Amino acid sequence: QKEVEQNSGPLSVPEGAIASLNCTYSDRGSQSFFWYRQYSGKSPELIMFIYSNGDKEDGRFTAQLNKASQYVSLLIRDSQPSDSATYLCAVNMLIYNQGGKLIFGQGTELSVKP
Amino acid sequence: GAVVSQHPSRVICKSGTSVKIECRSLDFQATTMFWYRQFPKQSLMLMATSNEGSKATYEQGVEKDKFLINHASLTLSTLTVTSAHPEDSSFYICSASGPRDPDTQYFGPGTRLTVL
Repeated sequence: QKEVEQNSGPLSVPEGAIASLNCTYSDRGSQSFFWYRQYSGKSPELIMFIYSNGDKEDGRFTAQLNKASQYVSLLIRDSQPSDSATYLCAVNMLIYNQGGKLIFGQGTELSVKP
Repeated sequence: GAVVSQHPSRVICKSGTSVKIECRSLDFQATTMFWYRQFPKQSLMLMATSNEGSKATYEQGVEKDKFLINHASLTLSTLTVTSAHPEDSSFYICSASGPRDPDTQYFGPGTRLTVL
């Protein structure tokens, strides 16, 4: 079982729709969760982080965390063609004697069609 | 805030040569810097973690003598790929985190290395 799992997609949504991106993780002790956006040929860009159960909203983006189910999601409202990118879920895991490090999922490719 | 730069953005070198990549945190002090490698259509793979003033911690399978990491100051880390070979061609990305929010990593723009 992978430590962080995402559906690789591609996920295709029409412009203006809600895009829903999902991620599950294996380490029940993880406390910090991140969503990054990566355009083709570019490095990841931080979109949101979430630490507590529930929803966290920032503009058109909402992150949702359910620690009991080990599940984190990202909703993008009013999707735009410029949102087309690969979205990476990352979980901060504490490694004995090494501190924390981010474990990335394989990413979900999102395509927003005009 | 939280801007990380990398230099160079792109480098092409001959097999057997060494290449140095710089990573700088421009507006915060980076207590920890991370080096990742990404092959086409794959996710990021952590190579090593470095804390200012101490030796880097390498991930399993990453040769520390081949990928030399130096984190001499709170704003600069360097990765040197020694005796580069074509299989080292990849997208190398650094990230940095600071003391205010140590769990959050901010990424540099990446360096695309091509070894001929």
